[in-house]
Amino acid sequence: RKEVEQDPGPFNVPEGATVAFNCTYSNSASQSFFWYRQDCRKEPKLLMSVYSSGNEDGRFTAQLNRASQYISLLIRDSKLSDSATYLCVAPAGTALIFGKGTTLSVSS
Amino acid sequence: NAGVTQTPKFRVLKTGQSMTLLCAQDMNHEYMYWYRQDPGMGLRLIHYSVGEGTTAKGEVPDGYNVSRLKKQNFLLGLESAAPSQTSVYFCASSYAGGPWTGELFFGEGSRLTVL
Repeated sequence: RKEVEQDPGPFNVPEGATVAFNCTYSNSASQSFFWYRQDCRKEPKLLMSVYSSGNEDGRFTAQLNRASQYISLLIRDSKLSDSATYLCVAPAGTALIFGKGTTLSVSS
Repeated sequence: NAGVTQTPKFRVLKTGQSMTLLCAQDMNHEYMYWYRQDPGMGLRLIHYSVGEGTTAKGEVPDGYNVSRLKKQNFLLGLESAAPSQTSVYFCASSYAGGPWTGELFFGEGSRLTVL
């Protein structure tokens, strides 16, 4: 089983929609998790950290389920500017391992 | 406030040539990483360092070497470039590591093409 697995999508949604991404991780010792956002041909940038059960920041909510070893990202009221690739990240040993990313395309 | 700087940003090599990518960070971070990103493969860890003078292998270390002689610099070397090493290379740094790794700060990437 890969360290971090994500549904690659793409997710194509209209503006205003609610969309959710899931990510599973294999290392049960992991304590901190992250969602990064990557725009086309740019570097990844931190979107949200998830250290306990969940985290909410405006339209974005990240939740952690330790029993099932998955984290999720919920985006409410999608905007055109939310179009990007969303990367799930979890520690594996000393380093961070990235999922392959889920592509979101929001259309008007 | 530079953050993480990678040089060069673009490079074209012929098979068998060697080159070094330089990563510099000005945030006094202990941990530094080199990732490569290929279409459909996501970001894969090549090598990383947990402090000055230390290096460790990641997921895909073959064909690469690294050095961390100074805390602020992390060099990635290709001794004999191969077309399979055509990729976008990202350097990153973080204050902490392990299970409680904090935010990774990325450079803008280095696009390498091996002909």
